[in-house]
Amino acid sequence: AQKVTQAQTEISVVEKEDVTLDCVYETRDTTYYLFWYKQPPSGELVFLIRRNSFDEQNEISGRYSWNFQKSTSSFNFTITASQVVDSAVYFCALSDPILTGGGNKLTFGTGTQLKVEL
Amino acid sequence: DSGVTQTPKHLITATGQRVTLRCSPRSGDLSVYWYQQSLDQGLQFLIQYYNGEERAKGNILERFSAQQFPDLHSELNLSSLELGDSALYFCASSVGGTGRNEQFFGPGTRLTVL
Repeated sequence: AQKVTQAQTEISVVEKEDVTLDCVYETRDTTYYLFWYKQPPSGELVFLIRRNSFDEQNEISGRYSWNFQKSTSSFNFTITASQVVDSAVYFCALSDPILTGGGNKLTFGTGTQLKVEL
Repeated sequence: DSGVTQTPKHLITATGQRVTLRCSPRSGDLSVYWYQQSLDQGLQFLIQYYNGEERAKGNILERFSAQQFPDLHSELNLSSLELGDSALYFCASSVGGTGRNEQFFGPGTRLTVL
């Protein structure tokens, strides 16, 4: 079975601090996809990144960066110089197409509530 | 704005009733997904359709059913509603039907069962 663990329930930081959100996943397959979504207080889910299991290159997008390590089954998300607007719940998710017969079911972690204060 | 639309935004109903949630995917997307978000269960996958056909199914209750129409919009029908069905229901869409395609979520329908 597939599983996503986000052990950090809530993180509070002061603006301009760097913060890393942890994500650990479990899957028996070699082909899978990992995602991060942001859910601001308004409630919608905003797509941030997709990574496939064959691409272990780290990615940077502005203040956001992602560290994918297959050896530890982790896909961590770092926000550099955090801002108040980054306050949201962040979800890590896993798609295992083999397990779902070719579909794209997302298994979500429980989310990490990030609070950025002035 | 993801381009995925959901109606209604809010729905308040009573136990035992039946409701229909509607979703229009982004232009060009062939796959539609339904998810339920509640405090105790978190974000749970319900079902996926691709170009009108069911592609993947999660732990969707028998009281719930969905379909995707030829114009690609989708409806989620919830019947014999119980208090525990109160949740935020999201629709998402993607171009293709596999994990190679990121899913874009609509704003959700908040269902309250009294």
